[in-house]
Amino acid sequence: DIVMTQSPDSLAVSLGERATINCKSSQSVLYSSNNKNYLAWYQQKPGQPPNLLIYWASTRESGVPDRFSGSGSGTDFTLTISSLQAEDVAVYYCQQYYGTPPHTFGQGTKLEIK
Amino acid sequence: EVQLVESGGGLVQPGGSLRLSCAASGFTFSSYWMSWVRQAPGKGLEWVANIKQDESEKYYVDSVKGRFTISRDNAKNSLYLQMNSLRAEDTAVYYCARPSTIGSSNRASDIWGQGTMVTVSS
Repeated sequence: DIVMTQSPDSLAVSLGERATINCKSSQSVLYSSNNKNYLAWYQQKPGQPPNLLIYWASTRESGVPDRFSGSGSGTDFTLTISSLQAEDVAVYYCQQYYGTPPHTFGQGTKLEIK
Repeated sequence: EVQLVESGGGLVQPGGSLRLSCAASGFTFSSYWMSWVRQAPGKGLEWVANIKQDESEKYYVDSVKGRFTISRDNAKNSLYLQMNSLRAEDTAVYYCARPSTIGSSNRASDIWGQGTMVTVSS
């Protein structure tokens, strides 16, 4: 199974500042035939289900503010929030959906306001 | 409105059984793979199982293989998770989720239910 490891486990950032969350997969999730990275990012607020932010590692889901961006390829990925807003306080998860399941998640990164 | 609504959670003793249901509406349920994802209290997300449109393929995380069975009824627009031999570590909120694209399991999940809580305790 592919193991997803996020860093850091928690992060405190000032309002208006940049937040960066990393995700590393134990094997590449880049599918060479279509050059797509099978990697998604989700945001989860307390008491709510996860909300899809980014898919194909860098494609923003419809309705997601453009301060959220995803980057990376192969085994190393980053979620960046360019200017942190109060409503961005949440836990963020990466997930790989490459190949045969299980489609594993990272352990999560808790983002708070400094 | 595209919607998933889970039900069937509750308190069950270790070794017991429970059947979860997920009612889908607002989209062509029979065209999509479907998944179950769980979250233990205060913990992260864990992918549990998924099922192809015609039930010809089913996949499970190792920790539930042989104990859980995923199934669906396309005529009723419903997804199920039969959970047997339950353990304390199965205590979690169970979410059903839909991938973003018809016909493939290799997609991010863009639609999630609100979840149903399963507590395994004596």
